[in-house]
Amino acid sequence: AQSVTQPDIHITVSEGASLELRCNYSYGATPYLFWYVQSPGQGLQLLLKYFSGDTLVQGIKGFEAEFKRSQSSFNLRKPSVHWSDAAEYFCAVPGGSGTYKYIFGTGTRLKVLA
Amino acid sequence: NAGVTQTPKFQVLKTGQSMTLQCAQDMNHNSMYWYRQDPGMGLRLIYYSASEGTTDKGEVPNGYNVSRLNKREFSLRLESAAPSQTSVYFCAARTSGRGELFFGEGSRLTVL
Repeated sequence: AQSVTQPDIHITVSEGASLELRCNYSYGATPYLFWYVQSPGQGLQLLLKYFSGDTLVQGIKGFEAEFKRSQSSFNLRKPSVHWSDAAEYFCAVPGGSGTYKYIFGTGTRLKVLA
Repeated sequence: NAGVTQTPKFQVLKTGQSMTLQCAQDMNHNSMYWYRQDPGMGLRLIYYSASEGTTDKGEVPNGYNVSRLNKREFSLRLESAAPSQTSVYFCAARTSGRGELFFGEGSRLTVL
């Protein structure tokens, strides 16, 4: 069955430091993958998505993610974190071939130190 | 442009009471979803509707019913609420094909 794993429940970084959030997936075919961000008390907003082609994708707010098929990973990165990036981040993947029942990881909560 | 609108935003119920969460989208998308979010568990799919008139169970459908009233609206009903249904509920709509989900702001439900 398809699945998504986000190994880190909480991550704390200092403002200005680089960030990498991990996402590992299990999927039978070539997946398409998403990263969403959720600010406190808000709904989820799309950061970026990968469908095919270039394995390095750019998103909003200065985020990027790299698809690595050999490692079944789609890690999210940002070179320099801002205090406003404090939020919860979710990786998502379709539930299986021919279905659009998207599966979400358990999320990584990011704390940014001033 | 409102996108996906959920009502109510907050609700407190007693065990055994019923209620309906409403969701409406103005993006003309075919597919709509209901998820629940619980601490440490991410988002789990309750029900999915690929188009008007069709619904399909997700990962955690027990205790819930849905109605896809028309293309715009997708409601979630709790017939007899239980404390285990205390959660934040999100409705979402999806563009066609490999599109992303657009989420509402959530409905926080507490069952006492």
